[in-house]
Amino acid sequence: RKEVEQDPGPFNVPEGATVAFNCTYSNSASQSFFWYRQDCRKEPKLLMSVYSSGNEDGRFTAQLNRASQYISLLIRDSKLSDSATYLCGSGSARQLTFGSGTQLTVLP
Amino acid sequence: DVKVTQSSRYLVKRTGEKVFLECVQDMDHENMFWYRQDPGLGLRLIYFSYDVKMKEKGDIPEGYSVSREKKERFSLILESASTNQTSMYLCASSTSSSYNEQFFGPGTRLTVL
Repeated sequence: RKEVEQDPGPFNVPEGATVAFNCTYSNSASQSFFWYRQDCRKEPKLLMSVYSSGNEDGRFTAQLNRASQYISLLIRDSKLSDSATYLCGSGSARQLTFGSGTQLTVLP
Repeated sequence: DVKVTQSSRYLVKRTGEKVFLECVQDMDHENMFWYRQDPGLGLRLIYFSYDVKMKEKGDIPEGYSVSREKKERFSLILESASTNQTSMYLCASSTSSSYNEQFFGPGTRLTVL
């Protein structure tokens, strides 16, 4: 079983839609959680860290459920520029473990 | 801006060749990492280093070795390349205080024939 699992998609949504991604992790000792964004043929970049109380950054909301060991990302009012692959992950002891990514395409 | 550079964007090698992939970061980061990324498998950690001359195995170290002689440089070595090492290789760096945020290089697409 992979340590971090997420639905690969693809998710195809119209512009303006709200879309949610979930991700589960198996290492209960994980100390940190995050979402990265990877554009086609580019390197991953940190989108946002995920905190226990949940956190929001503009149209993006991330939540953590430690009891069920899952992380979520909600994107409101999707833009064409949100099209990318979203990688979730967890961290402990200076290492990060990534999921294989969820592909999102926002359609005009 | 943090910059992580990798020596090549594309590389083609033959089975059995020794391959060196170089990574340099300019932000004085303590931690450096080598990943490979394959479709459906995502990013998998090969090796990492949290200090000069220090190295730790990641999840898939077999067939690879690393070298960190200077803080800014982290090299990945394939002693004898094999076709199953054809992949995208990504280097990353981070500070010790903020290891959630890793800065990635542009990647090296390695093809082993």
